[in-house]
This record gives sequence, structure tokens and C-alpha cells, in this order.
Amino acid sequence: DTAVSQTPKYLVTQMGNDKSIKCEQNLGHDTMYWYKQDSKKFLKIMFSYNNKELIINETVPNRFSPKSPDKAHLNLHINSLELGDSAVYFCASSQGTGVTEAFFGQGTRLTVV
Amino acid sequence: QKEVEQDPGPLSVPEGAIVSLNCTYSNSAFQYFMWYRQYSRKGPELLMYTYSSGNKEDGRFTAQVDKSSKYISLFIRDSQPSDSATYLCAMSAKGGANSKLTFGKGITLSVRP
Repeated sequence: DTAVSQTPKYLVTQMGNDKSIKCEQNLGHDTMYWYKQDSKKFLKIMFSYNNKELIINETVPNRFSPKSPDKAHLNLHINSLELGDSAVYFCASSQGTGVTEAFFGQGTRLTVV
Repeated sequence: QKEVEQDPGPLSVPEGAIVSLNCTYSNSAFQYFMWYRQYSRKGPELLMYTYSSGNKEDGRFTAQVDKSSKYISLFIRDSQPSDSATYLCAMSAKGGANSKLTFGKGITLSVRP
């Protein structure tokens, strides 16, 4: 069983489109995250949710909107996609209390053309 | 200056070599230190976790944290071709739901048979 799973794995879309990436974790964790990894492999946090509540919102354009329907799911919707949004987006989860170890999904490789 | 600096690499070593990977950081509030391993086209997976200063050993891997020097290291003994991957250091100032990981840029290691 995959602990943190994302769909789709690959996404190719045109500039200006709106797209969503879904994430689910079956670890029973109460905190979930979205990270962005750029072409230089630099991994940076975008958002975190704890029990469906937004905790961290880094300086991300408001075209990016996370949604957490329950604590096992965190989706990312992106409006008006731009070329610079091309990256690998990783969902992660952690227990949210005490330690900060995060467990990552396999990533969604987004290419905007 | 970035909060977390990591030797850029890439690094190529023969099988059986001892590998030393290092990160420095500027934020003295960091207390939680992690090393992640990322295989090509996969998500990062947690390798080692250390709280505050000290050493931690797990099989062929040893993590060291020197908070006075703001320096962390990962040592890999008897390196194997299967260790070929990108290694990312990550740090956090807080635990719990408000934690966020700040990553180094990663170093790509290649272990030659």
C-alpha cells in the first residue's frame, strides 16, 4: 500500500489552463504539505494543513489554492497556469506532533507548454 | 545567503568508499535535522533524523550535528551502487503542526561498481 499517493504522476498542459493535483495519505497523519521542486532540484514548501486547517502559506501566487476535504486528503488547484509553474510538485504528510519527519509522495511532474 | 547551504556536487566515488556529505546553515533556531535520499523520478525518502546536536548511526549511515558550528554531516560507509541518488539535508526550527522543512539544494552521488 502506498503511504502518500498523488495523481496524476505526469501532467502536460497549455498556458492559461486550470488544473488540479490530488493527494491522499493512509498513514493516519494529521498534517499534510505541498512542496515544489524546481528544475535545479531545489525543494521548497508551499503550504501545510493540520486537521484540514491551513497552517503554513508561503509566498505562493494566489493562483495556487490548496483544499483539504479531510485530514487524509490535500488537493492543489492551479489557475491560469504559467510556464514558470513547470516543476515537480510533492505532497507530504507528517504526524504533526513532536517530530517533523515528513513522508513524501512520488511527485507530479507538471509541464506547462 | 541561503538558510541552508549544501555542497553542490555531483560526487562520484568507487564502490566501498566512505562518503561524506555536508550542509551548513545560518538559522540558529533549527533543532531538527534530517537527511533525505531521492532516487531519480521518485519522491524524497527519509534516511536519518536527529534532534539537536550529536551523532546517530543506522547501519552504514551516520548522521552528525554540530550546532555550535551550524554544520551537519552524513557519512556513508562501504558505499554501494544502490546508494547512487540525490541526498538532501533538511532542517526545522519547530516540531509539530507548525513545522516546515527547509531543504538544501541536494547533492547527486554516484557510486561506481
